Amino acid sequence: KAGVTQTPRYLIKTRGQQVTLSCSPISGHRSVSWYQQTPGQGLQFLFEYFSETQRNKGNFPGRFSGRQFSNSRSEMNVSTLELGDSALYLCASSSGTGGILGEAFFGQGTRLTVV
Amino acid sequence: GENVEQHPSTLSVQEGDSAVIKCTYSDSASNYFPWYKQELGKRPQLIIDIRSNVGEKKDQRIAVTLNKTAKHFSLHITETQPEDSAVYFCAAPTDSWGKLQFGAGTQVVVTP
Repeated sequence: KAGVTQTPRYLIKTRGQQVTLSCSPISGHRSVSWYQQTPGQGLQFLFEYFSETQRNKGNFPGRFSGRQFSNSRSEMNVSTLELGDSALYLCASSSGTGGILGEAFFGQGTRLTVV
Repeated sequence: GENVEQHPSTLSVQEGDSAVIKCTYSDSASNYFPWYKQELGKRPQLIIDIRSNVGEKKDQRIAVTLNKTAKHFSLHITETQPEDSAVYFCAAPTDSWGKLQFGAGTQVVVTP
């Protein structure tokens, strides 16, 4: 069974640009969550999608957005990049069904550097 | 929302000794508590989890205990080995769908 796949693995962008990251969850998983990981702030929740609907959103500015497609693949977009957006962006895949949070499995992440 | 505190932030142990990491959570409705291990440059990997209907779970050298009354849970690693060196994160769900609140992480260093 293939794991969670994130592309690209590395990105270098300049301030003011925008970027789109992709996440393909484990086959059969319908929930995709996104996290930002920085040395000082740890793992911070961005948002979660289930069946193409955003169910939950973290405390990030509106420059951070996402979407999910009918095949459960998800993308996140960051517009007007700032230096502080440099981080490892991780997505996590889970079944997402029922009232109990299921096991979440992480992709390898996309390392974004903003210069 | 949920608040998860994790201690200690760093832990240095001699190979063969035990390591214990503790987390506290604030939302009494939380019912699922996973632990992740992240090696340098790699993704966080789920190593063990526990649900609120049990007090302890073991998997070889790793165990997790849960005290719902006190709202804390702990990771225990016995007979530590150099490959146990990593950052460990605890987590708990918020009352919202799909969101895990992570602790700040514990850097574990196992010295031979």
